[in-house]
Amino acid sequence: KAGVTQTPRYLIKTRGQQVTLSCSPISGHRSVSWYQQTPGQGLQFLFEYFSETQRNKGNFPGRFSGRQFSNSRSEMNVSTLELGDSALYLCASSLDPGRKTEAFFGQGTRLTVV
Amino acid sequence: GIQVEQSPPDLILQEGANSTLRCNFSDSVNNLQWFHQNPWGQLINLFYIPSGTKQNGRLSATTVATERYSLLYISSSQTTDSGVYFCAGRGNNNDMRFGAGTRLTVKP
Repeated sequence: KAGVTQTPRYLIKTRGQQVTLSCSPISGHRSVSWYQQTPGQGLQFLFEYFSETQRNKGNFPGRFSGRQFSNSRSEMNVSTLELGDSALYLCASSLDPGRKTEAFFGQGTRLTVV
Repeated sequence: GIQVEQSPPDLILQEGANSTLRCNFSDSVNNLQWFHQNPWGQLINLFYIPSGTKQNGRLSATTVATERYSLLYISSSQTTDSGVYFCAGRGNNNDMRFGAGTRLTVKP
């Protein structure tokens, strides 16, 4: 059974550009969550999607957005990139009946903004 | 959302020693996990343990849900155990929240 797949693994962007990251969950999993990890702030929750609906959103500016498709794959987009957006972005998938199931993480996308 | 506090923040051990990592939650959680982050950044699942005790080789974990804490035990530590250990919990209708992690260094 394939794990959670995130693409691309590494990305270098220029300040002001936008970026789209992709996450394919484990087959059969309907919930996808996104997290940002930086040395200063640790692991912070971005958003959570379940059955194509955003169920929860963290405390990030509107430049951060996401969506989920009917096959449960999810994308997140960051517009007008800032240097502070440089981080490891992790996504997690879970079966999610009532949020009481184990979450599994992908390898992450390491974004560098220059 | 809930607050998650991990202790100690840093731990240095000699190979072969045992250790205990702790995770405290500000509120009740019904979904608790322990992870080990590998050098490439991926979070590796160690335990899904909303309550009770589980063991997997040299690692074991105990969650006392009524007292809002969880413990991760590492016995006979090896250099390959080095890295950052995270606990994360989810309350009712909440997203998963992570602690700041415990950085474990095992010296040969």
